Formats: sequence, C-alpha cells, structure tokens
Amino acid sequence: SYDLTQPPSVSVFVGQTASISCSGDKLGDQYVSWFQKKPGQSPVLVMFQDSRRPSGIPVRFSGSNSGNTATLTISGTQAMDAADYYCQAWDSNTGVFGTGTKVTVL
Amino acid sequence: EVQLVESGGGLVQPGGSLRLSCVVSGISVRSDDMHWVRQGEGKSLEWVSGIGTAGDTYYLGSVRGRFTLSRENAKNSVYLQMNNLRAGDTAVYYCARGPLMGTIDYWGQGTLVTVSS
Repeated sequence: SYDLTQPPSVSVFVGQTASISCSGDKLGDQYVSWFQKKPGQSPVLVMFQDSRRPSGIPVRFSGSNSGNTATLTISGTQAMDAADYYCQAWDSNTGVFGTGTKVTVL
Repeated sequence: EVQLVESGGGLVQPGGSLRLSCVVSGISVRSDDMHWVRQGEGKSLEWVSGIGTAGDTYYLGSVRGRFTLSRENAKNSVYLQMNNLRAGDTAVYYCARGPLMGTIDYWGQGTLVTVSS
C-alpha cells in the first residue's frame, strides 16, 4: 500500500511561519491536495495541484511538491489556522490521506 | 451552490448492515466522480470508496467485498451499502465530489456510524 507520512504536530507563534511536510515514495510525480480539518466540521480544501489555492483561501497558504516530499506553508499564521491538516494523493484510483498534522498556534 | 447531504448513519451491531445515502444538489452525479471518506475518533481521514462516471468503482482494501458504492442518476444520489460491519468501521462518513486521480473539492457534513454491541 502507498503511505503518506506527516509530522504529528507543529507549533507556531501567531504571525510566524508554519511548514507541514508530507512524505511518500515519488510523491513529486503526482499532484497533492491539502485539507484543513477542525473538530465537528467537514474538511476544507486549502491547496490543490500542489500549489494552487481554491477561491476564498488566504494568500498566506502556499504549497510545493518535489521528490518525495510535499509541503504546505502557512505564512503569518493566524489563530484561526489552528486545526489538523491532511495531505492527499492517489494510488491507482485509490485515495490516500496522510497521517495528519495538528497545528497549534501559540 | 453545491450541497452534499448524507444520511443513514446510526448504531449497528457487529456483523450488521447499513446503507448510507448522499443527496447532491448543484452538481450532477451523472457527470462527476463521487467518493466516501471516513474519520474515526482521534484518527486520520481515510478514503473508503470512489465511483467514476462510467460506473467503475474502487475500494479501500479493508472494505472490499463488504461495502458497495452505487449511484442513482435520477435521484442525483450516491449510496454506500455496508455489510458485515466491524468495530473498526466506526467513524463519521463523508460524501465528497472530485475526479478520480484529481482534486476532491466538495464535502458533505458527514453521518456517524457506530458499530458496537
């Protein structure tokens, strides 16, 4: 099976930069999406095709993907960005989500 | 406005069955690929199943043979028939839209499935 590994947690001070990694074999050969998940809410797409922001997602969110690692970066992190974040890719028409990263905003 | 509304969750005993429904508005299940994704308490998101516009279906390995995803174009709905349920299937199940091998962009609010005796 195809696995996507993320750090369990990332802590960041308000206004600073948070980087969340997602590692998988040859991940850079395909597009990666990122979802924000808050308790009791549905997942929200915050990045697609590695580095494209959906309408309504703040410009402080950016993404990249190369080699075996994709990265979601939140610049000038706000308190409202505190959430779990999941990367997502595909393995032969089967969806795969990352292990998830809890972002704590201090 | 795109809306996906799930229903059919509930409490079921191990070995039992449930059928989840997802009624869609604002898009057409006839021309869009659809998915079910679940999240257990304290666990990661987990893709469960997807259906393409040609009716091709795909499943997570642990549910293959027990779950069946189908589509009813006339009702603009998709369904997940879940048989022989196990405790490990306990989760909130989300209906979602997006092309297979592409971007999943719209999600429903989820329906809770609890498998317990």
